[in-house]
Amino acid sequence: SQQGEEDPQALSIQEGENATMNCSYKTSINNLQWYRQNSGRGLVHLILIRSNEREKHSGRLRVTLDTSKKSSSLLITASRAADTASYFCATDEGNNAGNMLTFGGGTRLMVKP
Amino acid sequence: NAGVTQTPKFQVLKTGQSMTLQCAQDMNHEYMSWYRQDPGMGLRLIHYSVGAGITDQGEVPNGYNVSRSTTEDFPLRLLSAAPSQTSVYFCASSYTRTRFFNYEQFFGPGTRLTVL
Repeated sequence: SQQGEEDPQALSIQEGENATMNCSYKTSINNLQWYRQNSGRGLVHLILIRSNEREKHSGRLRVTLDTSKKSSSLLITASRAADTASYFCATDEGNNAGNMLTFGGGTRLMVKP
Repeated sequence: NAGVTQTPKFQVLKTGQSMTLQCAQDMNHEYMSWYRQDPGMGLRLIHYSVGAGITDQGEVPNGYNVSRSTTEDFPLRLLSAAPSQTSVYFCASSYTRTRFFNYEQFFGPGTRLTVL
């Protein structure tokens, strides 16, 4: 079963615009991570936000976490063609004794030059 | 550092054949894991290991075996391949993982497996 669900499933924007992706999850978590996957490649870690944090920044990335709504958002500002990729959220469940990281289905982002 | 390496990159098997997907990391990471990625399904955890000699099942372990004899290597064995195992397989590692604290995972480039 998937803990995280991304929304939208696909997003197409023009270069320079901002891209916002959302992730919802079902159970309490220790932390939430965002990963990027370029076509045909492995996943690359972008940012990790802990359950006691509400917002985190890294370069053009801004991640928010609302534990009351069990949701997170990833904002990419001033997007570039090179940002074209799939983006996944992954959650580490708070009551999980099995050390499992659960991934959502991803958002496919296309940035048109 | 080479990071996480996987071999082979592509593999075609016939139903019933067995094979081993190799994974190695040179970052001295304690935690290693195997995922499969199917279209529209995201990644699903197959097996994981929190250290040499310790393995455990993930979400979809049936049809797969793993072992962890060294810190560096974490091979995934398909016992009797089935068409349902056609997928892209990713190996990942991280410094450690505990119930309350963990680190980013580093992923290998993947193995694209087709079972006919």
